[in-house]
Amino acid sequence: EAGVTQFPSHSVIEKGQTVTLRCDPISGHDNLYWYRRVMGKEIKFLLHFVKESKQDESGMPNNRFLAERTGGTYSTLKVQPAELEDSGVYFCASSPNRGTSNYGYTFGSGTRLTVV
Amino acid sequence: SQQGEEDPQALSIQEGENATMNCSYKTSINNLQWYRQNSGRGLVHLILIRSNEREKHSGRLRVTLDTSKKSSSLLITASRAADTASYFCATAPPPGNTGKLIFGQGTTLQVKP
Repeated sequence: EAGVTQFPSHSVIEKGQTVTLRCDPISGHDNLYWYRRVMGKEIKFLLHFVKESKQDESGMPNNRFLAERTGGTYSTLKVQPAELEDSGVYFCASSPNRGTSNYGYTFGSGTRLTVV
Repeated sequence: SQQGEEDPQALSIQEGENATMNCSYKTSINNLQWYRQNSGRGLVHLILIRSNEREKHSGRLRVTLDTSKKSSSLLITASRAADTASYFCATAPPPGNTGKLIFGQGTTLQVKP
């Protein structure tokens, strides 16, 4: 089966611009998660979708971040306007809906975002 | 908030040696997972150990969990150059279905040929 796909793999934008990251989970996986790793720090949870619904968005840093998962398939994460501290690697993961966290998640390769 | 802490932050060994990485956490967990990240690549799930388990094996990997000490260790035996990567522990707090993993800062392992 195809894995979790993220694109772009790299994005360099100027402060104040908008960037949209996309994640295609494994087909049939109801759960989709966004995480990010800011330089030198730990990987932090951003939010969790179950199908098209936001199950937990407690990790979203502020209202410049907007995540959507229309139709319960792929998800987008938009940063508008981007700030320097948003630079980092954004990971997406998916898992089937079967006791969620009792199984390892499949992560994508991540999008490396650089805001200059 | 719960946070995994790993030590050492960096580890350099020779091929064939064993590598041990440790992880500590602060609150109750449902399970603890270990992931590997090769440079520029995504996170790869290695092994999951549930809170009622004490030890688990997978190939050259051995994971232990001590819930009384809130700590876990990952042992890679007979290391290979291809094991060079960053290793992260991640805890899933109860209840079991939140889906929210708490990651440590990771251990960077270098295996020299």
